[in-house]
Amino acid sequence: SQKIEQNSEALNIQEGKTATLTCNYTNYSPAYLQWYRQDPGRGPVFLLLIRENEKEKRKERLKVTFDTTLKQSLFHITASQPADSATYLCARYGGSQGNLIFGKGTKLSVKP
Amino acid sequence: DVKVTQSSRYLVKRTGEKVFLECVQDMDHENMFWYRQDPGLGLRLIYFSYDVKMKEKGDIPEGYSVSREKKERFSLILESASTNQTSMYLCASSADRAGDTQYFGPGTRLTVL
Repeated sequence: SQKIEQNSEALNIQEGKTATLTCNYTNYSPAYLQWYRQDPGRGPVFLLLIRENEKEKRKERLKVTFDTTLKQSLFHITASQPADSATYLCARYGGSQGNLIFGKGTKLSVKP
Repeated sequence: DVKVTQSSRYLVKRTGEKVFLECVQDMDHENMFWYRQDPGLGLRLIYFSYDVKMKEKGDIPEGYSVSREKKERFSLILESASTNQTSMYLCASSADRAGDTQYFGPGTRLTVL
C-alpha cells in the first residue's frame, strides 16, 4: 500500500531562519504531492501542489521540491515568522480508492 | 472561495446516543469526505462520497454511517456513540475524483462521556 511519512513530529526554529520540512513516500511516485497548513483546532488549508515533473515550485516565502529519486518532497519557509507556527501536512494521491493519503504532520514553532 | 461548513464546532454527547454531524459545501463539488483526527494518528478517512446517494468506506468505517441525499450536504452518523469516538471530526470536499485538492471545514470537536 502507498505510504507517506513526515519524519519529524516537531521542528523549532528562530525567527528569520529557513524552516525545512521533509515528506517521504513509498512505492511508486505519485503524479503530484500537496502541502497543507493546519492551525490548532482548525481544518487543514491547502498551500501548494507540485507535480513530479516540476522539481520545484514557489509561492511567496514558500518553496516545495519533489525528488523522485529520493522519493521525497521538501517544504521550505524562508524568513520564517512566528505567524508561520502551525502543523504542516503533506499528502499524496494513492489511497485504496483513489483518495488522498495524508502524512501525520510536522508541528513547526518559530520563536521570536 | 470554497466554503465548507460543519454544523457544530463543539459537541458533547453521552455513550449510546445517536449523533449527527453535518457538512455543507457551496462550490458544487462532486466529492466529499469525513475524517477523524487524533493526536499521533493523523487524519484517518472514515467515509467518502463521489456522488449523491453514493458512499464508499474509508480506512476506519466501523461504528459510523453516512448519508448524502443532496450534492452539497454530507452527514456523518454515529449510531451509538462510544467514548473511543471522542475526536476531532473534519469534513472536506474536492472537485475532481483523483486525489484533487481538498477543502476542509473548521472541524467538530466531539466528546463522548
